[in-house]
Amino acid sequence: RKEVEQDPGPFNVPEGATVAFNCTYSNSASQSFFWYRQDCRKEPKLLMSVYSSGNEDGRFTAQLNRASQYISLLIRDSKLSDSATYLCVVNENGNQFYFGTGTSLTVIP
Amino acid sequence: GAVVSQHPSWVICKSGTSVKIECRSLDFQATTMFWYRQFPKQSLMLMATSNEGSKATYEQGVEKDKFLINHASLTLSTLTVTSAHPEDSSFYICSARDWRYSNQPQHFGDGTRLSIL
Repeated sequence: RKEVEQDPGPFNVPEGATVAFNCTYSNSASQSFFWYRQDCRKEPKLLMSVYSSGNEDGRFTAQLNRASQYISLLIRDSKLSDSATYLCVVNENGNQFYFGTGTSLTVIP
Repeated sequence: GAVVSQHPSWVICKSGTSVKIECRSLDFQATTMFWYRQFPKQSLMLMATSNEGSKATYEQGVEKDKFLINHASLTLSTLTVTSAHPEDSSFYICSARDWRYSNQPQHFGDGTRLSIL
């Protein structure tokens, strides 16, 4: 079983829509969690960390469910510029980082 | 914020050439850096974990004699693709994080696009 599982999509949504991605992880002792965004032919860039109580940054909301071992990312009022691949990353013990395969999002005009 | 610099950003070389890629942490120290490879439309694949002052740890299937890693200081790791061939053409990305904080995210370099003719 993979350490991190993520639905690869693609997700094609109209502008203004709300879209959510989930990511499950296998190690219950995982310590920290992140969402990254990767644009085509570019390096991943940190979008937001995921905190136990959930956190919000503008149109983006990240949540962690330790009991069910998943993290989620919610994007409200999608913009064309949100089109990218979204990667979830799980840190198990300091230097062990595991990446999901990425979820492709295309926002359509 | 933490910044990781990677150089060069683009390399085009003849087959058989060795190519060195540098990864620097600019405003923090990193005892560990990571090297990834990404083929078009595929996920990031971890190649190896670079450890300052000791040997790198390679993932299964990655040839250590082909991909030489040197992490001689707390701010610099290098990846050398030796005798590169067209199948080595890919997007190589490094990452690092500030070793002082256990829950810090990784920060990525800009990546190096390697094309072997």
